[in-house]
Amino acid sequence: DIQMTQSPSPLSASVGDRVTITCRASQSISSWLAWYQQKPGKAPKLLIYKASSLESGVPSRFSGSGSGTEFTLTISSLQPDDFATYYCQQYNDHPTFGQGTKVEIK
Amino acid sequence: QVQLVESGGGVVQPGRSLRLSCAASGFTFSSYAMHWVRQAPGKGLEWVAVISSDGRNKYFADSVKGRFTISRDNSKNTVYLEMNSLRNEDTAVYYCTRVLQEVWVDDAFDIWGQGTMVTVSS
Repeated sequence: DIQMTQSPSPLSASVGDRVTITCRASQSISSWLAWYQQKPGKAPKLLIYKASSLESGVPSRFSGSGSGTEFTLTISSLQPDDFATYYCQQYNDHPTFGQGTKVEIK
Repeated sequence: QVQLVESGGGVVQPGRSLRLSCAASGFTFSSYAMHWVRQAPGKGLEWVAVISSDGRNKYFADSVKGRFTISRDNSKNTVYLEMNSLRNEDTAVYYCTRVLQEVWVDDAFDIWGQGTMVTVSS
């Protein structure tokens, strides 16, 4: 199985901050990576697919980059609605998720 | 609108069985692979199983292999997860999800149900 490791966890930030979350794969997954946002009691929401493609309806302050084994999710200016837990997921093989990064209010 | 609605969760004793259902609407169900993903209380997301659009190909996480089965009825727009020999560690919210692109088996998940809680406890 491909292991996914996210950092940092948790992440403390303020409204307006630029936030970056890193996800590392245990082997190359090309660009087959997605990012999700999850709020308590809710299902995850797809933000980014194929490492850098923005899902329809997702604000442009979210962006993704990377390929191979290292990937990043960036929120250019953190908004109050963005405090949540973020997961990466690889789909080069049967899916596996990172452990999650909780973005907390500083 | 595009929607997935899970049902069938509940409290069950260890060793017993439970069947979850996921009813799809608002899209051509028979064109999409469907997955189940679970989340134990306070924990992260864990992929459980996938079934291809035509139902011929099925894959399972090692943690459930041999105990869980997945099936679909494209005439009813429904996917099922049959869970046997349940263990305490199977306690979780179970989500069904749709892949982003038609026909692909492994993909990002763009549509999620609201989840159904399964509690395994004596």
